[in-house]
Amino acid sequence: KNEVEQSPQNLTAQEGEFITINCSYSVGISALHWLQQHPGGGIVSLFMLSSGKKKHGRLIATINIQEKHSSLHITASHPRDSAVYICAAYGSARQLTFGSGTQLTVLP
Amino acid sequence: NAGVTQTPKFQVLKTGQSMTLQCAQDMNHEYMSWYRQDPGMGLRLIHYSVGAGITDQGEVPNGYNVSRSTTEDFPLRLLSAAPSQTSVYFCASSALARGASKETQYFGPGTRLLVL
Repeated sequence: KNEVEQSPQNLTAQEGEFITINCSYSVGISALHWLQQHPGGGIVSLFMLSSGKKKHGRLIATINIQEKHSSLHITASHPRDSAVYICAAYGSARQLTFGSGTQLTVLP
Repeated sequence: NAGVTQTPKFQVLKTGQSMTLQCAQDMNHEYMSWYRQDPGMGLRLIHYSVGAGITDQGEVPNGYNVSRSTTEDFPLRLLSAAPSQTSVYFCASSALARGASKETQYFGPGTRLLVL
């Protein structure tokens, strides 16, 4: 069974700070997803990656397959980035295993 | 496109009652899945389907049934509701690539279920 661990569980930052959220998984995977859950509960997909790095606006996701580790970075954070960020690993069982999420609060 | 829709948004049940949570998508996605989200825990897979007529169990299938008679619809049935099934339920869909759901996941808005 693939275990997915996220850190930190909670993160408070000042507007403008650079933020990093980490995700580690225990077994080989074919893809890793980063998701954002809004305060209202809706979940949207941010990235799906299987190698290297992806960038979308102020968000950057990286993955190191050998180290079984992925990071989500937010540059120039803004209060509207406040949300729960979730990583999910897709392994051989055709199932996604989710981390428990990182609650990010960005203060103005 | 409406994307992934779920009904109802909120439901209160008494222990022992049965109900069906509806999920539909209009993106012609082969892969559909149901998750439950509980405080302090990650989303957990209940059941999933890789196409019409094909379903399989996830991590926490007990007490739930699914069927997939069409590509668009993937209802989740609670057979005899228990307080432990109080949760937020999310339906999701994605395309399949080489038989694997590695593509972008699209989530419904969720159904909050309270079992008394």
